[in-house]
Formats: sequence, structure tokens, C-alpha cells
Amino acid sequence: SQQGEEDPQALSIQEGENATMNCSYKTSINNLQWYRQNSGRGLVHLILIRSNEREKHSGRLRVTLDTSKKSSSLLITASRAADTASYFCATDNDMRFGAGTRLTVKP
Amino acid sequence: GAVVSQHPSWVICKSGTSVKIECRSLDFQATTMFWYRQFPKQSLMLMATSNEGSKATYEQGVEKDKFLINHASLTLSTLTVTSAHPEDSSFYICSATHPGLAGVEQFFGPGTRLTVL
Repeated sequence: SQQGEEDPQALSIQEGENATMNCSYKTSINNLQWYRQNSGRGLVHLILIRSNEREKHSGRLRVTLDTSKKSSSLLITASRAADTASYFCATDNDMRFGAGTRLTVKP
Repeated sequence: GAVVSQHPSWVICKSGTSVKIECRSLDFQATTMFWYRQFPKQSLMLMATSNEGSKATYEQGVEKDKFLINHASLTLSTLTVTSAHPEDSSFYICSATHPGLAGVEQFFGPGTRLTVL
């Protein structure tokens, strides 16, 4: 089974709202990465958070990591229509992906 | 960040032919590359782990004789879909790992869309 499991599987919001998606994993990690995939395209690396970090920011992205719960969250603030995509998480020791979260941002 | 390329970006072939897809790490050496396939509106499914200089490790349910993987150098891995059939039509994506300051990072190619007629 896959390491990263994203939740929810689908999320629809209005432009300007914040979007939060979660990821759970099973084993210990050194780092966790979040990716975005636009329809029919390859994956784009968004952000990497190390196991000794609790929070990391990159522009409108905020990632948290709770190693005790083996979970991570990705927050996209002030969402835009261009943020519409599927989002995946993956850990450094398992290259399998979950179903991802399909985010739709309505203009 | 590190760049991974794939070639071709799309290919259409007749049923029964073989198709080779190349995955290259352009500015770093990758001892390990990964091959995924993705059907429409589904997630990426890991097919195999490609190790330079050794045999690939295939995931359960993936036919190694059907999907031949060769990792001949530290910058190139190839996936050959042998005797392709319409059900092999899919989006194939490769990735390569690179040790960054924060640990091992994974970089993806842009994908290859295979259509088998």
C-alpha cells in the first residue's frame, strides 16, 4: 500500500479562500514533500519539510508536519483559479503516492 | 532545482509494436530512478524502481517482461513497453532522486503520453 495518503480526495472552494489538505504516512521519515499536478502534466515539486521541522512557508504555501501523528498538512492561502490541480504528498523512503487531493478553485 | 526530462512527450503506436521512453537527469547523477503510470483521473502508480547498473525492482502486478527497464548510466533510464496493446495507453512519468541539503528529494519528468491504437 502507498505511504502517503491525502485527505480530502476532492476539495472545491471559491477564489480567495484558503485550502487545507492533509497527508498521513506510515513509517518514519527524513523528509516529506508536497507536489502539484495539473491535468495531463508532470508533477511539480512544491515544498519539502524535514522531519525535525514543524512548519515551513513558501509564498502562499504553509506546510506543517507532526511526526508523532505521522501527518502533514498543506495550506494554500488566498487561493487562485490557477491553483486548481491535484496535490500529492510523498516521503523520502517510499515513492508511492496516494490518491491525492483534487482542488478546484472557482473564480 | 534539478531537472528531469523525458522523451518523447507523446507517442502513438500500433498495437503489437514496442515503444521506448527515455528518462534523463539533466544536471545531476541519479543512481535511482522511478517509473510510474497514471490513468486519467487517477493517481500515479509506481511501476518499478530503476537502479543504475542492476536489475530494476518491479512492483507487484507489473510484468517485467512487458515493461523492460534499463538504467545504463547515472543519467539515463529507459522504459520499453513491449508488444503494446490499447490497455497500455497511459501517461508514463519518471522521477529521479537527488540528495539535497534537506535529504533525498524527488524530481519528476514531464511525462510521456502513450496511445496504442
